[in-house]
Amino acid sequence: GAVVSQHPSWVICKSGTSVKIECRSLDFQATTMFWYRQFPKQSLMLMATSNEGSKATYEQGVEKDKFLINHASLTLSTLTVTSAHPEDSSFYICSASVLAYEQYFGPGTRLTVT
Amino acid sequence: QKEVEQNSGPLSVPEGAIASLNCTYSDRVSQSFFWYRQYSGKSPELIMSIYSNGDKEDGRFTAQLNKASQYVSLLIRDSQPSDSATYLCAVNDRSNFGNEKLTFGTGTRLTIIP
Repeated sequence: GAVVSQHPSWVICKSGTSVKIECRSLDFQATTMFWYRQFPKQSLMLMATSNEGSKATYEQGVEKDKFLINHASLTLSTLTVTSAHPEDSSFYICSASVLAYEQYFGPGTRLTVT
Repeated sequence: QKEVEQNSGPLSVPEGAIASLNCTYSDRVSQSFFWYRQYSGKSPELIMSIYSNGDKEDGRFTAQLNKASQYVSLLIRDSQPSDSATYLCAVNDRSNFGNEKLTFGTGTRLTIIP
């Protein structure tokens, strides 16, 4: 299957700082990338959808100024959590898809804000 | 609002038996259906996709789709302890071009008892 990587796999940051998470499709060009967040024992929550070269589409309730998404190429999307707070601590997962609409997930990034 | 429903479990199945996981969805125009496996602390892994009515088999896994009943299931034959995980049902709506979002169920936690 298609391979998606994420970096870093885990990060600890102080409250008020910003954190950037990278998502890469390694062996295919992704037409669309997605960012999810998952809290313990809860299901995936879609945060935003991004297409290369265009602005991301955010889900209702997700602050676009706080969660900045850049999709610079068909193989790279980044999520920047700005002015992070402890309540932003979560498991952030990206996924990528091609025209078949199957989504392949990265391994996830565990963010802890202290 | 589109909904995907699964029994949260836990579902306990003896090793070697058949595990049966069920999912219903509310949106009649849904056209693509997926099963993901998620181990604790890990990201989801795509294990099956199904697009037309009937059965689709891949190794020990069989996906079954009944669009008239808005029902999709996953059967795992010869269950192994390594199959213990949360299984997520996901539904995609391709009726709107470019809308590739997946709607996830909350997942069924499966435990295989040795």
